[in-house]
Amino acid sequence: TQLLEQSPQFLSIQEGENLTVYCNSSSVFSSLQWYRQEPGEGPVLLVTVVTGGEVKKLKRLTFQFGDARKDSSLHITAAQPGDTGLYLCAGDGNTNAGKSTFGDGTTLTVKP
Amino acid sequence: EAQVTQNPRYLITVTGKKLTVTCSQNMNHEYMSWYRQDPGLGLRQIYYSMNVEVTDKGDVPEGYKVSRKEKRNFPLILESPSPNQTSLYFCASSQLAGGHTQYFGPGTRLTVL
Repeated sequence: TQLLEQSPQFLSIQEGENLTVYCNSSSVFSSLQWYRQEPGEGPVLLVTVVTGGEVKKLKRLTFQFGDARKDSSLHITAAQPGDTGLYLCAGDGNTNAGKSTFGDGTTLTVKP
Repeated sequence: EAQVTQNPRYLITVTGKKLTVTCSQNMNHEYMSWYRQDPGLGLRQIYYSMNVEVTDKGDVPEGYKVSRKEKRNFPLILESPSPNQTSLYFCASSQLAGGHTQYFGPGTRLTVL
């Protein structure tokens, strides 16, 4: 079973601060995705990274896929209260495309 | 509107009483999957389906059954629910497996007494 470990589990910061969330594994993933989930709703995709070393930017969010495709990070610049939510990383099996593994999630609270 | 629907959204039942949670998507997606979400454990995959009549186990399949007789529907069946199956369940679909965007339903909160 492939495992994804996210850190930190909880993060509470003030508006305007920067933060980084990490997603680590001992397994190689063919691709890795980041989702954001709000209370009472299903997760919504933010980004998919496929190539080792890839960096993608989505406004104030920067996503990086590790060179060995075993880890990823999500960096938020100048966090806003609207960024509050549960952030989940998910990886697709390198040998079984149907298997999807999610990390435990990082609960982010941005205080105004 | 492209969407994944689940029914019911909330269900309280008793141990041993068979139940089915329905999932339907209108995007003609080949891949569908069921997850359960528990506090501190993230989303864990129960079963997935690569296409009609093709299903396979995820990481936590015990106590669950699925079927995929039509492309749009992927029901989750609990033949004899137990309290440890109390959880929040999500159905998801994507164009294909492997790196494609998964679209999630709104979730079904199940309580087994």
